Amino acid sequence: GPKVLQIPSHQIIDMGQMVTLNCDPVSNHLYFYWYKQILGQQMEFLVNFYNGKVMEKSKLFKDQFSVERPDGSYFTLKIQPTALEDSAVYFCASSLLQNQAPLFGEGTRLSVL
Amino acid sequence: TQTVSQSDAHVTVFEGDSVELRCNYSYGGSIYLSWYIQHHGRGLQFLLKYYSGNPVVQGVNGFKAEFSKSDSSFHLRKASVHWSDSAVYFCAVRMYNNNAPRFGAGTKLSVKP
Repeated sequence: GPKVLQIPSHQIIDMGQMVTLNCDPVSNHLYFYWYKQILGQQMEFLVNFYNGKVMEKSKLFKDQFSVERPDGSYFTLKIQPTALEDSAVYFCASSLLQNQAPLFGEGTRLSVL
Repeated sequence: TQTVSQSDAHVTVFEGDSVELRCNYSYGGSIYLSWYIQHHGRGLQFLLKYYSGNPVVQGVNGFKAEFSKSDSSFHLRKASVHWSDSAVYFCAVRMYNNNAPRFGAGTKLSVKP
């Protein structure tokens, strides 16, 4: 079936550096999401994105975070600069319709040293 | 703001037992409720969802959930669990025609042989 792909599965960077997490959503999907999970615990909503715009963001979506999907390519989450507390697994999700349950990727583990 | 509560952090049963994973929500408007499963180190997989109609919804792998407006609940049940059902289960709520799903803290289900 359709899949949301997140590459790589693990990224290691030094604190203060910039990182871009890439998500390849299902090709015909229109709604995109990022979630953050620390230590296999609660799945925290970060942001959702539609038609080139952020629709909603949570308090966890700090000023250092940004998202974009230029020309229908990867849906990206950029963190600049990174902080130690940004270490987590970031999950991308996408859906065709707004009221459709999103399909999740396998996540990218971000380790900030 | 909608909230979703999963009162049991960890549930342990034996293979072949029935199980109920509890989910309660607090929101007065029209909402979508869903359940996801997360195996260790993996992304979330959609199990089932409810919006309206029959309050009992059937999902994959023998799971079902029942919506109760009076109890503000959407508990997940399975009649006979298998060891492969061991995972973390997340309940999620989303307001109709609005924002992204918000997840509960998750319930870790351990199935002993």
